[in-house]
Amino acid sequence: KAGVTQTPRYLIKTRGQQVTLSCSPISGHRSVSWYQQTPGQGLQFLFEYFSETQRNKGNFPGRFSGRQFSNSRSEMNVSTLELGDSALYLCASRLAEYNEQFFGPGTRLTVL
Amino acid sequence: AQKVTQAQTEISVVEKEDVTLDCVYETRDTTYYLFWYKQPPSGELVFLIRRNSFDEQNEISGRYSWNFQKSTSSFNFTITASQVVDSAVYFCALSEERTNAGKSTFGDGTTLTVKP
Repeated sequence: KAGVTQTPRYLIKTRGQQVTLSCSPISGHRSVSWYQQTPGQGLQFLFEYFSETQRNKGNFPGRFSGRQFSNSRSEMNVSTLELGDSALYLCASRLAEYNEQFFGPGTRLTVL
Repeated sequence: AQKVTQAQTEISVVEKEDVTLDCVYETRDTTYYLFWYKQPPSGELVFLIRRNSFDEQNEISGRYSWNFQKSTSSFNFTITASQVVDSAVYFCALSEERTNAGKSTFGDGTTLTVKP
């Protein structure tokens, strides 16, 4: 069974631009969560989607948004990029509530 | 609010030593879920174990063992006879039933270095 895949793996953008990251969950998993990982803040929850609905949202500004498609694939978008948005963005999927999450390899975003 | 504390930022051991990674959590929920993940240098988090709040049984899996104690709100992880391949960052995480398990709160992680 294929794991969680994320594209692209690496991305370099400049301040003010916007970016879209993609995540394909494990087949059959309907829940997708996004996390931001930085050396200073650690792993922080961005949002979770289940059956195309956002169920939970972390403390991030509105520049961070996401969506989920009917095939459970998810995208997150960051608009008006700031230097502080440089991070590893991790996507995780789970089969059902309260189950463990399976993480993808992440997208390394660098904002110059 | 939920909180996970991993007080050990970095641990360094020599191969074959036993090592315990500490995890202390805070939650107001009576039903919650605890997890341990491993993040090797490649960056991908790997799931190790899940424990439900109503199941205090300790667990052993090969060289890995976990000690869950609700009385002290701790969920510690022990690696027996450590190996160089165990070098990684280890994260403890908590999900509360009330706030929906889709959101996990992670500790800051413990960087384990196993030297040959």
